[in-house]
Amino acid sequence: AQSVAQPEDQVNVAEGNPLTVKCTYSVSGNPYLFWYVQYPNRGLQFLLKYITGDNLVKGSYGFEAEFNKSQTSFHLKKPSALVSDSALYFCAVRDPSNTGKLIFGQGTTLQVKP
Amino acid sequence: DAGVTQSPTHLIKTRGQQVTLRCSPISGHKSVSWYQQVLGQGPQFIFQYYEKEERGRGNFPDRFSARQFPNYSSELNVNALLLGDSALYLCASSLNFYYGFSYEQYFGPGTRLTVT
Repeated sequence: AQSVAQPEDQVNVAEGNPLTVKCTYSVSGNPYLFWYVQYPNRGLQFLLKYITGDNLVKGSYGFEAEFNKSQTSFHLKKPSALVSDSALYFCAVRDPSNTGKLIFGQGTTLQVKP
Repeated sequence: DAGVTQSPTHLIKTRGQQVTLRCSPISGHKSVSWYQQVLGQGPQFIFQYYEKEERGRGNFPDRFSARQFPNYSSELNVNALLLGDSALYLCASSLNFYYGFSYEQYFGPGTRLTVT
C-alpha cells in the first residue's frame, strides 16, 4: 500500500538557521511527490512538487525539496528560516492507482523562534 | 482571480442529521476533490470529480456522497452524521484530470463541521 511518513511531529529551529522537514514514502512505480503548508484555520497551500527530472526541486517562499530515490525520501529544506514559516507542513504522494488522490503524511509542525 | 471557495465556514450539526457542503473551484479548473482532515491528522481523500463524473473514491462509507455541476462547482453530502464525522472538510481543485499524470491540487479554506 502507498504511504507517506513524516517522522517528526515537531521541528524547532532558530530564525536565520537552515531548516529540514523530513518525509519518506512508499509507492509502487515512479513517485509524484508534493509538499503543502497549512496555517491555523486555513486550507493547504501548495509549495512544490516532484514528478521527474532534477532531484532538487525549488518551490514557493524560498523552499526547496530534495528527492532521493534510493532512500525513498523527499525532505523539505530552506536555507534561512523565518518566523513566518511557522506552520504545519504536509508531505503527500500521488496514489498511482487513482491519480487524483493524494496520500498525506500526518504532518510536521515547524516552529521558528526569533 | 479568486481561489477555491467553500461554504459554509463553520457548521454545527446533531448526530443523525444530514449536511451539505459546497465548493467552487478556481476559474478554469475542471476537477474537484474532497478531503476530510481530522484534528491532528493529514487529510484523507474522499472523492474526486471531473466533468461531472466520479473519478475516484476513498475508503468512506456510503453515507458520504458528492456531485459536480456543469459549472464545475461541487457539493459533498453526509447523511446520518456520527460524532466521528467532526472534521475539517477540504475541497481542492485542479486544472484537469488525466490518468497517469498528477496536476497540482489547490485547496480551499475548508468547512469546519462539528457533530454533537
